[in-house]
Amino acid sequence: DAKTTQPPSMDCAEGRAANLPCNHSTISGNEYVYWYRQIHSQGPQYIIHGLKNNETNEMASLIITEDRKSSTLILPHATLRDTAVYYCIVRVARYSTLTFGKGTMLLVSP
Amino acid sequence: GAVVSQHPSRVICKSGTSVKIECRSLDFQATTMFWYRQFPKQSLMLMATSNEGSKATYEQGVEKDKFLINHASLTLSTLTVTSAHPEDSSFYICSARLAGLNEQFFGPGTRLTVL
Repeated sequence: DAKTTQPPSMDCAEGRAANLPCNHSTISGNEYVYWYRQIHSQGPQYIIHGLKNNETNEMASLIITEDRKSSTLILPHATLRDTAVYYCIVRVARYSTLTFGKGTMLLVSP
Repeated sequence: GAVVSQHPSRVICKSGTSVKIECRSLDFQATTMFWYRQFPKQSLMLMATSNEGSKATYEQGVEKDKFLINHASLTLSTLTVTSAHPEDSSFYICSARLAGLNEQFFGPGTRLTVL
């Protein structure tokens, strides 16, 4: 699976959009981009995934660049409960297990 | 849907004793379950992958005789930490993959403290 690079930490004001970047310049054509988050002392929670089109669900939006070398997870209106470590993972769907990097620690402040 | 539970959520034991952690998929059948370990301020590290009815596959560096995994049914996997020592103190998280799909759902984790 391709390697990902994320900033170690980010801050966001409550109510504002949180934009979390992820670089995956070595991604292969059959690899998906997955995002999970882990709130302190809890198990990871699935957020969203995509292949090449932008995706949106009730939690977030995923914007993948045309060359697929990077992506951005957008939390449109961050709340204090969105404070967590966010993991960007690239994997071949169906066959590979989830390998977690260091992620981005997002701190949402009042 | 797709809820994974773990029991216990927290356990404290004496050095040398064994501890069993249960992982259950509550509303789906999981042909594959995964066990992760997370030390403080570190990321999750995959320990082993187990498929129902067969032996678990352990990641490099994980002692299979120390971390016994049983996946006897499609809804239950257990991890037994045998002869636990303080260095085994960690956050243990299981994950289950829904049969036929690629999504993994995670349990809430078990905090193990070995005194």
